[in-house]
Amino acid sequence: DIQMTQSPSSLSASVGDRVTITCQASQGIKKYLNWYRQKPGKPPELLIYDASSLEAGVPSRFSGSGSGTDFSFTISSLQPEDFATYYCLQYEDLPPFTFGPGTKVDFK
Amino acid sequence: EVRLVESGGGLVQPGGSLRLSCTASGFTFSNYWMTWVRQAPGKGLEWVANIKPDGSEKFYVDSVKGRFSISRDNARNSMYLQMNSLRAEDTAVYYCARDGTRYIYNPPHYWGQGTQVTVSS
Repeated sequence: DIQMTQSPSSLSASVGDRVTITCQASQGIKKYLNWYRQKPGKPPELLIYDASSLEAGVPSRFSGSGSGTDFSFTISSLQPEDFATYYCLQYEDLPPFTFGPGTKVDFK
Repeated sequence: EVRLVESGGGLVQPGGSLRLSCTASGFTFSNYWMTWVRQAPGKGLEWVANIKPDGSEKFYVDSVKGRFSISRDNARNSMYLQMNSLRAEDTAVYYCARDGTRYIYNPPHYWGQGTQVTVSS
């Protein structure tokens, strides 16, 4: 099975900061990676699909890049509602799919 | 508007069984793959199982193979997760999700609010 790692596991930031999270796959997954945001006590929300495509209705401050084994996710200007946990998910080939362990973004 | 509502969670003893339900509305249920994802307390997300629109194809994560069974009833716009031989490590919030449509096999797109399952004596 494909394993996913994320870094950092947590970070502290302020409103307006630029934040970048990385995700690495144990083998090549082409572009088949999603990014989700999960606010406390809520279900995840899809932000980015196919590594770099912005989901409809999602603000443009979110972006993603990468292919193969190395991916990154950036919030260009952190907003109060972005203090949450972020997960990557690989969906290359057959299920089961695997999530990264998550990155918690909290207030500095 | 896509709406997914999970039910059936609760407290169950180790070795026991539980059946979760997910009722869908706002879209043509019979056209979409559906997925269960779980989240243990204070932990990350774990993809659990998914099922093809006609129910003919199913996939499971290794940790639940042979114990959990996913099914659906398109006439009732519902998906189910039958969980047997439950263990303490199955304690989690279980989310129902509708998959995307770009490829043959797609990741979760829309999510329900989740239902809590607690396995404890």
